[in-house]
Amino acid sequence: EIVMTQSPATLSVSPGERAIVSCRASQNVRNNLAWYQQKPGQAPRLLIHGASTRATDIPVTFSGSGSGTEFTLTISSLQSEDFAVYYCQQYNTWPRTFGQGTTVEIK
Amino acid sequence: ELQLVESGGGLVQPGGSLRLSCAASGFSLSNYNFNWVRQAPGKGLEWISLISTTGSTTYYADSVNGRFTISRDNGKNSLYLQMNSLTAEDTAVYYCARDNIRYLLLPAALDLWGQGTTVTVSS
Repeated sequence: EIVMTQSPATLSVSPGERAIVSCRASQNVRNNLAWYQQKPGQAPRLLIHGASTRATDIPVTFSGSGSGTEFTLTISSLQSEDFAVYYCQQYNTWPRTFGQGTTVEIK
Repeated sequence: ELQLVESGGGLVQPGGSLRLSCAASGFSLSNYNFNWVRQAPGKGLEWISLISTTGSTTYYADSVNGRFTISRDNGKNSLYLQMNSLTAEDTAVYYCARDNIRYLLLPAALDLWGQGTTVTVSS
């Protein structure tokens, strides 16, 4: 199975600053990569699919890039509602696999 | 409003069985492939199964293959997960989630999630 490795595990950022989360796949997943946001007690929410396409109603402060094995989620100018856990997921190969998650916390 | 609502979770003894349901509203479930994803307490997300629109194709994670069975009833707009031979490692919140591509079984992200149902396996 494809192993997805996210870094860092925890990211401490001040409001208004930029956050960058990385995701590495153990094999080529082309651009079949999604990013999700999860807040405590809530279901995950799709942010990005196709590595760089924002999902419906996702603000432009969220952007994704990369292909193959290296991917990045950038959150520009963090707002209070953006502090959450972020997961990448590859859906190129069965089983679909998630990264272990990155917690973006208030500095 | 587009919505998925899971039900059927609860406390079950090791070795026991449980059947989860996921009811769709606001759209036709029959047009989409569906997934089950779980999250153990304090842990990350684990994809466990997918079923195609007609139910003819299914996939499972190794961790549940042979013990869990995914199914659907498009007439009832519902998805199911039959879980047998449960162990403590199956304790988790179980989410149903929809592929973001209609009709075809293609690489797809998960664009609509239910609120989850909690399964606890303990004696």
